[in-house]
Amino acid sequence: GDSVTQMEGPVTLSEEAFLTINCTYTATGYPSLFWYVQYPGEGLQLLLKATKADDKGSNKGFEATYRKETTSFHLEKGSVQVSDSAVYFCALRGSFGNEKLTFGTGTRLTIIP
Amino acid sequence: DTEVTQTPKHLVMGMTNKKSLKCEQHMGHRAMYWYKQKAKKPPELMFVYSYEKLSINESVPSRFSPECPNSSLLNLHLHALQPEDSALYLCASSQNTGSSYNEQFFGPGTRLTVL
Repeated sequence: GDSVTQMEGPVTLSEEAFLTINCTYTATGYPSLFWYVQYPGEGLQLLLKATKADDKGSNKGFEATYRKETTSFHLEKGSVQVSDSAVYFCALRGSFGNEKLTFGTGTRLTIIP
Repeated sequence: DTEVTQTPKHLVMGMTNKKSLKCEQHMGHRAMYWYKQKAKKPPELMFVYSYEKLSINESVPSRFSPECPNSSLLNLHLHALQPEDSALYLCASSQNTGSSYNEQFFGPGTRLTVL
């Protein structure tokens, strides 16, 4: 079945540092890939998505590129802020009308001033 | 309006109580979802409604009973819950279920505590 493997956390960085959170997946066909962010005490917000190979999703300074050859969708940001502290989930949705989102385990990110 | 709303925000109930969680969206979405999220874990899918019909039940115990009265509303009726059911319950919606492109929009959740 489909699966998502996400970088183990927690991750602690200083403000303005470069961020990478690794995500790899296993799926048949051509899934869509997503990054969701969950701030403390809140629900999930869609951060960015990519629906086909080589697509780059971007939002709020975050980027991720759909790499089919390495089955990866790593999240990056050039300069993190304290307000980026949250839990980040990588997820995929299958390519055959499968309603289910398959989530990674989540990575807790803390940015210190 | 790109918002999914959920009420109540917090709920505390005893094991003999009956309560309901409510979810609403006005984006014209035809698919709605219930998830359960335990602390420090990803959300786990419970139910999927597609065009107001239940399409997926992930072997959820019968003490959880979903209902979709119309295309904008989704309820989760709770009865005789156990303390281990304490969790954040998230509602989500998407345009439909027929395409992997359709992202799911999540509500803020209801934090449930079962005493």
